[in-house]
Amino acid sequence: NAGVTQTPKFRILKIGQSMTLQCTQDMNHNYMYWYRQDPGMGLKLIYYSVGAGITDKGEVPNGYNVSRSTTEDFPLRLELAAPSQTSVYFCASSYRQPDNSPLHFGNGTRLTVT
Amino acid sequence: KNEVEQSPQNLTAQEGEFITINCSYSVGISALHWLQQHPGGGIVSLFMLSSGKKKHGRLIATINIQEKHSSLHITASHPRDSAVYICAVGYNNNDMRFGAGTRLTVKP
Repeated sequence: NAGVTQTPKFRILKIGQSMTLQCTQDMNHNYMYWYRQDPGMGLKLIYYSVGAGITDKGEVPNGYNVSRSTTEDFPLRLELAAPSQTSVYFCASSYRQPDNSPLHFGNGTRLTVT
Repeated sequence: KNEVEQSPQNLTAQEGEFITINCSYSVGISALHWLQQHPGGGIVSLFMLSSGKKKHGRLIATINIQEKHSSLHITASHPRDSAVYICAVGYNNNDMRFGAGTRLTVKP
C-alpha cells in the first residue's frame, strides 16, 4: 500500500520556467490537498479537491493551478515560477473532510526557484 | 481567521523525560490534529480528536474545548521521538490551519 506518492522529491527551477508536481494516492480518497511549508510557518493550503472534476482555491492559490481528472491523481502546476514559490510542497489526502478524518501526506517536494 | 499557537517552539529533553507540547487556538473548531514531521520531512498523522483524550503507546493527546487548548504528551521519551510536532485545527469545511510546529530533540 503506497499511500500518497509525490514526485519529484527535489527540483530547481529558473525564474519564469514552469513545472508540474505530481501526486497520486491509492486509498480511494475523495479529498486531496496541496500545501506549502515555508520555514518557521505552518502549512498553508494552496488548492484542494473533494472529488474527480472538482477543485477549489485554498489560502494561497496565486501562481498555481490544479486539475483532478481521476480520483487517484491531483497534479499541481506552477506557471512562470517566481522566487516566492521556493518552498516545500506537500500533497495530502483524506477519506472525509479533514475535520472528520485523518490526513495522509506524501513525502514532500523541495522546490527552489532561482 | 484563526491562529494556531504552539509552545514551546523548540524543546530539548533527556531520554526518559516526560514531554508536553501545547497548542492553543482562538475560535471554535470541529477537530484538532497532531502530526509528526520526521527529520527526513515526511508527515504522519498521530491523533485526531474533538474532545477528551486519546492514547497510543507512549503518546497521549488531550483537548479542552472550553479553553481552546490541546496538549501532546510523550512519556518515557526516546531519541527516536525527535521530530517536529505540528498541531492543526479543522472547521466544518475543508479549511485547516496549522501551527508552526515544535521541534523536539531527545538526547540519549
